[in-house]
Amino acid sequence: EVQLVESGGGLVKPGGSLRLSCAASGFTFSSYSMNWVRQAPGKGLEWVSSISSSSSYIYYADSVKGRFTISRDNAKNSLYLQMNSLRAEDTAVYYCARAAEYQLLLHWGQGTLVTVSS
Amino acid sequence: QPVLTQSSSASASLGSSVKLTCTLSSGHSSYIIAWHQQQPGKAPRYLMKLEGSGSYNKGSGVPDRFSGSSSGADRYLTISNLQSEDEADYYCETWDSNTRVFGTGTKVTVL
Repeated sequence: EVQLVESGGGLVKPGGSLRLSCAASGFTFSSYSMNWVRQAPGKGLEWVSSISSSSSYIYYADSVKGRFTISRDNAKNSLYLQMNSLRAEDTAVYYCARAAEYQLLLHWGQGTLVTVSS
Repeated sequence: QPVLTQSSSASASLGSSVKLTCTLSSGHSSYIIAWHQQQPGKAPRYLMKLEGSGSYNKGSGVPDRFSGSSSGADRYLTISNLQSEDEADYYCETWDSNTRVFGTGTKVTVL
C-alpha cells in the first residue's frame, strides 16, 4: 500500500523558514516524480513544486520561485520542501503527492499545516 | 498553459445522478486530466484519469458509481446513485509545460 506521510509543519513568523518532509513507503520511491501541493484555508488546491525521479528536473509555481526549494533523498525514500522568506499567504495545508502516468497525481499524503503569523 | 474551468457548486438528491464539468481552455482540448475528490476535512483522493476520447481509468477502490466521459474540450465526472459520502469538493487537474494546473473545484451537495 502506498503511504505518504508529511511532517514538519507548524507556526512560523513572517520571514521565517520551515522544512517539510514526506516519508514514502509501499512503492519504489526512486522511480517516480514527486510533488508538493498546498491548500490555503477554505481555498482550492494549488501546485507548489515538482521533482523528477532522479532530481534532474525541478519545477516551481511562480508564487514560490526563489523562496522554496524541493529536494529528495532516494536512499531514505524521502521528499523535502525547504521554505524560506515565508509570508502570511503561504499559510496552508501542504500535501505530498506522487505522480504517475502523464504526470497526473495518483497518491496523496494526509497533509501538514503551515501557519505563518506573527 | 491550460486553464481548467469548473462550476462552483452542484447539488442532487440522494440516489440520483450528478454530472460535473471541467472545461479545458482554447488550444488544449485534447489534454488528459485527472479527477480528485476531497471530502470535508480530508486529503484529496484520486478518482480517475480521463482522456479526450472519453476513455477513463479509475483508481483502486473507486466505486462503480463514478464514471467519466468527454466531449470536445469538456471532461465530465458523473456520479450515479449519489450517496451521502459523495458530498465533497471535486477538482480536475492536468500537467503541461512543466506546470501543474488545478480547476477551482466543484462543491457537491447531496440533498
